[in-house]
Amino acid sequence: GAGVSQSPSNKVTEKGKDVELRCDPISGHTALYWYRQRLGQGLEFLIYFQGNSAPDKSGLPSDRFSAERTGESVSTLTIQRTQQEDSAVYLCASSLTLIAGVGGRGNIQYFGAGTRLSVL
Amino acid sequence: ILNVEQSPQSLHVQEGDSTNFTCSFPSSNFYALHWYRWETAKSPEALFVMTLNGDEKKKGRISATLNTKEGYSYLYIKGSQPEDSATYLCAFSQASKIIFGSGTRLSIQP
Repeated sequence: GAGVSQSPSNKVTEKGKDVELRCDPISGHTALYWYRQRLGQGLEFLIYFQGNSAPDKSGLPSDRFSAERTGESVSTLTIQRTQQEDSAVYLCASSLTLIAGVGGRGNIQYFGAGTRLSVL
Repeated sequence: ILNVEQSPQSLHVQEGDSTNFTCSFPSSNFYALHWYRWETAKSPEALFVMTLNGDEKKKGRISATLNTKEGYSYLYIKGSQPEDSATYLCAFSQASKIIFGSGTRLSIQP
């Protein structure tokens, strides 16, 4: 079946512009996660959704970052007024249920191929 | 502050040799420990999910152990092959947080 799909695969933008990154999870997966990896750094957890609810937004780096999810499908990560430090690979993952919640401990995350964002 | 440490950062191993590396994580409020393999230009791929102290998982030549009381997990690769070259990530989940280590970059030399 289809895996996690992210678009665009690459995005080059000018500093100050807004960008929108899209993630299509695996059908039937209720949980969806956004991560980013900046050059030379580890994978940084940004936000997760259980259904269309994001209970904890504290991982978002600043108030320029926001994320939405429609039902149990597509999610968008929006970065407003992009800065050069936003340049990174943004990865999306989905799992059947939330891996960090009761009942979901054994679940596996399936990752998309990522969006490479370059802010000039 | 929750911290997940992986060591070593990078490792060069001769083809055919066996190797192992470590993931250290907080020992309190443990939910699960995940291992992923991340090959260049590909998506991270889940290897193991471990939830119980003493868990041992095996997939082909790769195996992992878990000690939740002392907060560490080992990943072992037996008889390394060139296709094992990748970054190996561990991730610790606790309540609503999922924290990744920086990874161990493994290079297998023919």
